[in-house]
Amino acid sequence: SQQGEEDPQALSIQEGENATMNCSYKTSINNLQWYRQNSGRGLVHLILIRSNEREKHSGRLRVTLDTSKKSSSLLITASRAADTASYFCATDSQAGTALIFGKGTTLSVSS
Amino acid sequence: SAVISQKPSRDICQRGTSLTIQCQVDSQVTMMFWYRQQPGQSLTLIATANQGSEATYESGFVIDKFPISRPNLTFSTLTVSNMSPEDSSIYLCSARTGTDYGYTFGSGTRLTVV
Repeated sequence: SQQGEEDPQALSIQEGENATMNCSYKTSINNLQWYRQNSGRGLVHLILIRSNEREKHSGRLRVTLDTSKKSSSLLITASRAADTASYFCATDSQAGTALIFGKGTTLSVSS
Repeated sequence: SAVISQKPSRDICQRGTSLTIQCQVDSQVTMMFWYRQQPGQSLTLIATANQGSEATYESGFVIDKFPISRPNLTFSTLTVSNMSPEDSSIYLCSARTGTDYGYTFGSGTRLTVV
Protein backbone atom coordinates (compact mmCIF):
# COMPACT_ATOMS: atom_id res chain seq x y z
CA SER A 1 0.00 0.00 0.00
CA GLN A 2 1.18 3.52 -0.72
CA GLN A 3 0.74 6.26 1.80
CA GLY A 4 0.34 9.13 -0.61
CA GLU A 5 1.60 11.14 -3.46
CA GLU A 6 4.85 12.90 -4.05
CA ASP A 7 5.27 15.67 -6.51
CA PRO A 8 6.76 16.30 -8.81
CA GLN A 9 7.31 12.76 -10.10
CA ALA A 10 10.42 13.98 -11.89
CA LEU A 11 12.52 17.11 -11.50
CA SER A 12 15.43 18.28 -13.63
CA ILE A 13 17.61 21.18 -12.50
CA GLN A 14 21.06 22.64 -12.94
CA GLU A 15 23.85 22.35 -10.42
CA GLY A 16 23.64 25.09 -7.83
CA GLU A 17 19.86 25.40 -8.02
CA ASN A 18 17.53 24.37 -5.22
CA ALA A 19 15.26 21.35 -5.50
CA THR A 20 11.94 21.08 -3.69
CA MET A 21 9.97 17.88 -3.42
CA ASN A 22 6.59 17.49 -1.79
CA CYS A 23 4.94 14.55 -0.10
CA SER A 24 1.38 14.05 1.04
CA TYR A 25 0.10 11.29 3.26
CA LYS A 26 -3.28 9.99 4.32
CA THR A 27 -3.23 8.84 7.93
CA SER A 28 -1.99 10.33 11.19
CA ILE A 29 1.71 9.69 11.77
CA ASN A 30 4.36 9.37 14.44
CA ASN A 31 7.09 10.68 12.22
CA LEU A 32 8.00 11.20 8.58
CA GLN A 33 11.31 10.29 7.02
CA TRP A 34 13.02 11.01 3.73
CA TYR A 35 15.20 8.48 1.95
CA ARG A 36 17.41 8.63 -1.11
CA GLN A 37 18.00 5.79 -3.54
CA ASN A 38 20.61 5.85 -6.26
CA SER A 39 19.75 3.87 -9.40
CA GLY A 40 17.76 1.13 -7.68
CA ARG A 41 20.41 0.50 -5.05
CA GLY A 42 20.02 0.54 -1.29
CA LEU A 43 18.10 3.16 0.63
CA VAL A 44 19.97 5.96 2.37
CA HIS A 45 18.24 7.62 5.28
CA LEU A 46 18.35 11.40 4.98
CA ILE A 47 16.30 12.96 7.74
CA LEU A 48 13.47 12.29 10.17
CA ILE A 49 10.92 14.80 11.39
CA ARG A 50 8.59 13.99 14.25
CA SER A 51 4.89 14.77 14.18
CA ASN A 52 5.32 17.52 16.77
CA GLU A 53 8.05 19.26 14.76
CA ARG A 54 7.44 21.73 11.95
CA GLU A 55 10.88 22.16 10.43
CA LYS A 56 14.22 20.44 10.56
CA HIS A 57 17.60 21.05 8.97
CA SER A 58 20.50 18.79 8.18
CA GLY A 59 23.34 20.21 6.11
CA ARG A 60 21.86 21.22 2.73
CA LEU A 61 18.54 19.57 3.58
CA ARG A 62 15.51 21.31 4.99
CA VAL A 63 12.34 19.42 5.78
CA THR A 64 8.99 20.90 6.74
CA LEU A 65 5.94 19.12 8.07
CA ASP A 66 2.36 20.36 8.11
CA THR A 67 0.25 17.82 9.94
CA SER A 68 -2.94 19.81 9.37
CA LYS A 69 -2.45 19.40 5.62
CA LYS A 70 -0.82 15.98 5.95
CA SER A 71 2.10 17.12 3.85
CA SER A 72 5.85 17.51 3.96
CA SER A 73 8.47 19.08 1.75
CA LEU A 74 12.14 18.37 1.25
CA LEU A 75 14.37 21.19 0.07
CA ILE A 76 17.88 20.47 -1.18
CA THR A 77 19.86 23.66 -1.49
CA ALA A 78 22.79 24.28 -3.85
CA SER A 79 22.26 20.95 -5.58
CA ARG A 80 25.12 18.90 -6.98
CA ALA A 81 25.29 16.27 -9.70
CA ALA A 82 25.78 13.71 -6.93
CA ASP A 83 22.27 14.52 -5.66
CA THR A 84 20.85 12.82 -8.75
CA ALA A 85 18.69 10.04 -7.30
CA SER A 86 15.15 9.06 -6.38
CA TYR A 87 13.78 10.54 -3.16
CA PHE A 88 11.04 8.93 -1.10
CA CYS A 89 9.10 10.03 1.91
CA ALA A 90 8.01 7.36 4.36
CA THR A 91 5.73 7.43 7.36
CA ASP A 92 4.94 5.18 10.28
CA SER A 93 1.57 5.57 11.93
CA GLN A 94 2.25 3.71 15.12
CA ALA A 95 5.42 2.66 16.90
CA GLY A 96 6.47 -0.72 15.61
CA THR A 97 4.55 -0.74 12.35
CA ALA A 98 6.15 -0.75 8.95
CA LEU A 99 7.18 2.33 7.07
CA ILE A 100 4.82 3.20 4.25
CA PHE A 101 6.51 4.88 1.29
CA GLY A 102 5.33 7.58 -1.05
CA LYS A 103 5.68 7.19 -4.80
CA GLY A 104 8.91 9.14 -4.97
CA THR A 105 10.48 11.95 -6.94
CA THR A 106 13.27 11.34 -9.43
CA LEU A 107 15.76 14.21 -9.30
CA SER A 108 18.25 14.83 -12.07
CA VAL A 109 20.94 17.45 -11.52
CA SER A 110 23.01 18.37 -14.52
CA SER A 111 26.37 20.13 -14.44
CA SER B 1 23.45 0.80 14.92
CA ALA B 2 22.01 -2.46 13.61
CA VAL B 3 23.08 -4.03 10.35
CA ILE B 4 21.00 -6.30 8.14
CA SER B 5 22.76 -8.73 5.83
CA GLN B 6 20.57 -9.69 2.88
CA LYS B 7 21.34 -12.34 0.32
CA PRO B 8 21.49 -13.03 -2.49
CA SER B 9 22.17 -9.52 -3.77
CA ARG B 10 20.92 -10.50 -7.20
CA ASP B 11 19.74 -13.51 -9.10
CA ILE B 12 18.41 -14.48 -12.49
CA CYS B 13 15.82 -17.23 -12.29
CA GLN B 14 13.77 -19.31 -14.67
CA ARG B 15 10.02 -18.86 -14.66
CA GLY B 16 8.18 -21.43 -12.59
CA THR B 17 10.98 -21.78 -10.05
CA SER B 18 11.23 -20.34 -6.53
CA LEU B 19 13.83 -18.16 -4.84
CA THR B 20 14.39 -17.75 -1.12
CA ILE B 21 15.84 -14.49 0.13
CA GLN B 22 17.47 -14.35 3.55
CA CYS B 23 17.92 -11.49 5.97
CA GLN B 24 20.09 -11.68 9.06
CA VAL B 25 20.03 -8.90 11.65
CA ASP B 26 22.97 -8.43 13.98
CA SER B 27 20.67 -7.79 16.93
CA GLN B 28 17.32 -9.10 18.13
CA VAL B 29 14.32 -7.35 16.65
CA THR B 30 10.63 -7.90 17.24
CA MET B 31 9.30 -7.08 13.80
CA MET B 32 10.74 -7.49 10.35
CA PHE B 33 9.22 -6.24 7.14
CA TRP B 34 9.46 -7.26 3.51
CA TYR B 35 9.07 -4.87 0.58
CA ARG B 36 8.92 -5.16 -3.18
CA GLN B 37 10.14 -2.44 -5.50
CA GLN B 38 9.09 -2.94 -9.08
CA PRO B 39 11.18 -1.26 -11.81
CA GLY B 40 10.89 2.50 -11.61
CA GLN B 41 8.44 2.33 -8.71
CA SER B 42 8.43 2.95 -4.99
CA LEU B 43 8.60 0.38 -2.22
CA THR B 44 5.44 -1.58 -1.52
CA LEU B 45 5.03 -3.45 1.74
CA ILE B 46 4.52 -7.18 1.23
CA ALA B 47 4.20 -8.37 4.81
CA THR B 48 5.18 -7.95 8.43
CA ALA B 49 6.92 -10.90 10.07
CA ASN B 50 6.78 -11.49 13.81
CA GLN B 51 8.75 -14.21 15.49
CA GLY B 52 6.59 -17.14 16.48
CA SER B 53 3.49 -16.19 14.53
CA GLU B 54 2.20 -16.11 10.98
CA ALA B 55 3.25 -13.17 8.86
CA THR B 56 0.66 -10.49 8.20
CA TYR B 57 0.25 -9.83 4.47
CA GLU B 58 -0.82 -6.62 2.80
CA SER B 59 -3.62 -6.48 0.30
CA GLY B 60 -2.56 -8.02 -2.99
CA PHE B 61 0.03 -10.37 -1.48
CA VAL B 62 -0.69 -13.95 -0.42
CA ILE B 63 1.17 -16.53 1.60
CA ASP B 64 1.16 -19.13 -1.17
CA LYS B 65 3.07 -16.78 -3.45
CA PHE B 66 5.32 -15.15 -0.82
CA PRO B 67 5.78 -17.53 2.12
CA ILE B 68 7.76 -15.98 4.95
CA SER B 69 9.59 -17.63 7.80
CA ARG B 70 10.69 -15.99 11.04
CA PRO B 71 12.31 -18.73 13.12
CA ASN B 72 13.99 -16.41 15.63
CA LEU B 73 14.49 -12.76 16.52
CA THR B 74 17.42 -12.19 14.17
CA PHE B 75 16.46 -13.97 10.96
CA SER B 76 13.76 -14.07 8.30
CA THR B 77 13.30 -15.45 4.82
CA LEU B 78 10.99 -14.52 1.97
CA THR B 79 10.33 -17.01 -0.80
CA VAL B 80 9.06 -15.88 -4.18
CA SER B 81 7.24 -18.93 -5.50
CA ASN B 82 6.36 -20.09 -8.98
CA MET B 83 8.00 -17.03 -10.45
CA SER B 84 6.95 -15.20 -13.58
CA PRO B 85 8.62 -12.24 -15.33
CA GLU B 86 6.20 -9.94 -13.47
CA ASP B 87 8.02 -10.87 -10.25
CA SER B 88 11.18 -9.18 -11.50
CA SER B 89 11.80 -6.57 -8.83
CA ILE B 90 14.04 -5.55 -6.01
CA TYR B 91 13.06 -7.16 -2.72
CA LEU B 92 14.12 -5.52 0.52
CA CYS B 93 13.85 -6.50 4.15
CA SER B 94 13.70 -4.08 7.02
CA ALA B 95 13.49 -4.10 10.79
CA ARG B 96 12.71 -1.76 13.63
CA THR B 97 16.09 -1.22 15.25
CA GLY B 98 17.85 1.01 17.69
CA THR B 99 18.91 3.60 15.13
CA ASP B 100 17.90 7.22 15.59
CA TYR B 101 15.43 6.87 12.78
CA GLY B 102 14.13 3.53 13.94
CA TYR B 103 14.47 1.41 10.84
CA THR B 104 17.28 -0.44 9.12
CA PHE B 105 17.12 -1.84 5.60
CA GLY B 106 18.92 -4.66 3.90
CA SER B 107 20.79 -3.83 0.71
CA GLY B 108 18.13 -5.52 -1.44
CA THR B 109 17.87 -8.49 -3.78
CA ARG B 110 17.56 -7.68 -7.46
CA LEU B 111 15.53 -10.51 -9.00
CA THR B 112 15.18 -11.04 -12.72
CA VAL B 113 12.85 -13.75 -13.96
CA VAL B 114 13.38 -14.99 -17.51
